[in-house]
Amino acid sequence: EVQLLESGGGLVQPGGSLRLSCAASGFTFSSYAMSWVRQAPGKGLEWVSGISGSGGSTYYVDSVKGRFTISRDNSKNTLYLQMNSLRAEDTAVYYCAKGNCNGGSCARDYWGQGTLVTVSS
Amino acid sequence: DIVMTQSPDSLAVSLGERATIKCKSSQSVLYSSNNKNYLGWYQQKPGQPPKLLIYWASTRESGVPDRFSGSGSGTDFTLTISSLQAEDVAVYYCQQYYSTPQTFGQGTKLEIK
Repeated sequence: EVQLLESGGGLVQPGGSLRLSCAASGFTFSSYAMSWVRQAPGKGLEWVSGISGSGGSTYYVDSVKGRFTISRDNSKNTLYLQMNSLRAEDTAVYYCAKGNCNGGSCARDYWGQGTLVTVSS
Repeated sequence: DIVMTQSPDSLAVSLGERATIKCKSSQSVLYSSNNKNYLGWYQQKPGQPPKLLIYWASTRESGVPDRFSGSGSGTDFTLTISSLQAEDVAVYYCQQYYSTPQTFGQGTKLEIK
């Protein structure tokens, strides 16, 4: 059974940093692209970042470029999102999502339950 | 960036009736080399993560009831629920994965009339 378990969310002040983790199990982690998708309270879905199965290709939405870094450790079956210089508008539930292919251009077939990031003073 | 626009924003349909949700992309998401439309549909119920229903615009994900179907090509797509069930109450999103950022539509809230 595929499982994705996010952790690392919490309350942080503007300008602060957080690192989100997503522990994956139930599939060959290195064979699939992964993404982070966020949802601000009461709002729609926003794709934030993606990474290929090998980790060699990474992608970001413009609003987080230079502030967020996606990475993966295929030996630990874990996906990460390092978030720096956080802003109030980054407040959201962050979901880890598995692609249904190896490359970047995939639909997302499994999602974690999400971790809440709140940026506030 | 490719802008995805769904219509309507909300929809109320009677149980057993057909529900139709539209999604339009600001540019084509059809990749000519493999003739695939890079378009997915997701269902999100309150307090839950999204669930993939349809990918490649018309391929139903494993385990998804056959009352859900997707159609369309290029820039215009449709999600159809042939006979609405109570458990289908949710927000539905389309997403293009043709290019990054892999943008979502704004969502369509489906309710029972």
